[in-house]
Amino acid sequence: NAGVTQTPKFQVLKTGQSMTLQCAQDMNHEYMSWYRQDPGMGLRLIHYSVGAGITDQGEVPNGYNVSRSTTEDFPLRLLSAAPSQTSVYFCASSYTTTYEQYFGPGTRLTVT
Amino acid sequence: GQQVMQIPQYQHVQEGEDFTTYCNSSTTLSNIQWYKQRPGGHPVFLIQLVKSGEVKKQKRLTFQFGEAKKNSSLHITATQTTDVGTYFCAGVMNSGGSNYKLTFGKGTLLTVNP
Repeated sequence: NAGVTQTPKFQVLKTGQSMTLQCAQDMNHEYMSWYRQDPGMGLRLIHYSVGAGITDQGEVPNGYNVSRSTTEDFPLRLLSAAPSQTSVYFCASSYTTTYEQYFGPGTRLTVT
Repeated sequence: GQQVMQIPQYQHVQEGEDFTTYCNSSTTLSNIQWYKQRPGGHPVFLIQLVKSGEVKKQKRLTFQFGEAKKNSSLHITATQTTDVGTYFCAGVMNSGGSNYKLTFGKGTLLTVNP
């Protein structure tokens, strides 16, 4: 099993550009989520999904969109990048009955 | 909203000393989890505590969940250089059925002087 994969590993955007961070898992997990990690701030939940076709907002959803068309994939879209979105983004997945999160390797995003 | 406070933010120890990090939630939790993140890496699940007053051990690591299910601690005995990293607690709030959220503490960065 590949586990949770994320692409790209690194990305530099200019303010106002849009892009999609990809996340995929091959463990048949129902629950998938996106976090951002900033120095001294821990991990903050952006959006999450408990199954295909179901998404909900986390703590810091503004400026981000998600969709869940399949169990495996959970892309995160930045609509119009801003310097405040410079961060490391982690995707995670789990079964909804165990809650144990499996994290991807992360995407380091810089917005100039 | 739910808040999870974690202290200390940083801890530097000599190899062989003990280490403890504490976690407090503003609300009663369903479960609490602990993760370790090595520098440059991603968080890795260590353990989950579910029951009030629960204590679990993993080799030199001891995890406790408070009686009120609002606080938790991680204690490492006789630290080693391999223990270096940031330790996060994460409170699980179950909203019903399969809907739940994790709220992470800000983490404790442990450095160990050999």
